[in-house]
Amino acid sequence: KAGVTQTPRYLIKTRGQQVTLSCSPISGHRSVSWYQQTPGQGLQFLFEYFSETQRNKGNFPGRFSGRQFSNSRSEMNVSTLELGDSALYLCASSLDIPVNTEAFFGQGTRLTVV
Amino acid sequence: EDQVTQSPEALRLQEGESSSLNCSYTVSGLRGLFWYRQDPGKGPEFLFTLYSAGEEKEKERLKATLTKKESFLHITAPKPEDSATYLCAVGSDYKLSFGAGTTVTVRA
Repeated sequence: KAGVTQTPRYLIKTRGQQVTLSCSPISGHRSVSWYQQTPGQGLQFLFEYFSETQRNKGNFPGRFSGRQFSNSRSEMNVSTLELGDSALYLCASSLDIPVNTEAFFGQGTRLTVV
Repeated sequence: EDQVTQSPEALRLQEGESSSLNCSYTVSGLRGLFWYRQDPGKGPEFLFTLYSAGEEKEKERLKATLTKKESFLHITAPKPEDSATYLCAVGSDYKLSFGAGTTVTVRA
């Protein structure tokens, strides 16, 4: 059974640009969550989607946004990139509410802002 | 706000030297406590979910236990391949709140 797929694996962007990251969940999983991981802050929750609806959002500025498509694939977008946005962005999929069932993570997208 | 604290930050063990990792938490309504293992450059790998105080789960050399305020991950007779960062997370409100992790290094 295929796992969670995130693309691209690595990205280098310039300050002020925008970026779109993609996540394909495990087949049959309808919940997709996004996390930012940095050495200083650890894993921070960005948002969670279920059946194309955002159910919860973390404490990140409006430059961070996301969406989910009818096939459960999800994208997150970061506009007007800042140096501090450099991080590993992780996507997790689960059957339903991630606190009720196991959440499985992808390999992540390593974003470097220069 | 949910808070998760893991200790110690780092743990260096000799192969075969058993030890325990601690995860203490403050959450308004615990929906589950999760343990993950993360290797460098990779996403977290799911290990266990615990839902109620007194619950225990085992997988190979790992055993997780849960009380009302903390969880322990016991590593019995570790091997070098057990070297990783172990993350604890609590679930509430459609999200997981993670601790900073414990980095375990097992020397042969």
